[in-house]
Amino acid sequence: GQQVMQIPQYQHVQEGEDFTTYCNSSTTLSNIQWYKQRPGGHPVFLIQLVKSGEVKKQKRLTFQFGEAKKNSSLHITATQTTDVGTYFCAGPHAGNNRKLIWGLGTSLAVNP
Amino acid sequence: NAGVTQTPKFRVLKTGQSMTLLCAQDMNHEYMYWYRQDPGMGLRLIHYSVGEGTTAKGEVPDGYNVSRLKKQNFLLGLESAAPSQTSVYFCASSARDFTEQFFGPGTRLTVL
Repeated sequence: GQQVMQIPQYQHVQEGEDFTTYCNSSTTLSNIQWYKQRPGGHPVFLIQLVKSGEVKKQKRLTFQFGEAKKNSSLHITATQTTDVGTYFCAGPHAGNNRKLIWGLGTSLAVNP
Repeated sequence: NAGVTQTPKFRVLKTGQSMTLLCAQDMNHEYMYWYRQDPGMGLRLIHYSVGEGTTAKGEVPDGYNVSRLKKQNFLLGLESAAPSQTSVYFCASSARDFTEQFFGPGTRLTVL
């Protein structure tokens, strides 16, 4: 069945280092969404990418959607302790647009 | 606007007991979802609704029932709780296909 995989599962960085998480889909996606969940919190929407090769920036966060629309990445420049949390990617279910297929997330820990 | 609210925040049940989780949204969203989140398993869709009076099964519907009698409310019922249903339950809503999902704060359920 359709799968969305994220790597790495965990990442531990020193504050100020960069961080990247990758999202790979088994099928072509019409769009991809990224969410952040702080420890003890709920997922919060970050961004949606729709176009092939699209790159979007939000301050220190850079999101990319692959040319084939099967992969995506989130890059954080100069991490801060406020970046701690789990980052999820999600794409529409191939047979039912009303559902999202979620990756298992990448948990980011930042040492001050 | 409160966004998406969930009641209760915490609950402890004994095996075999029943309970209902309430989700309410004030954004006039058509779509509503119930997820469960377990360590290492990401977000798994239990049931969802694409409008008042409609419901549909997600990935892990067994042991749960739902109702959407009013557009703003989505109820999740456990008829006979089992320890395997110990989890954090999130409700979410979205305006339509391909739009961001807004999550509630979650309900932490323990079944003994």
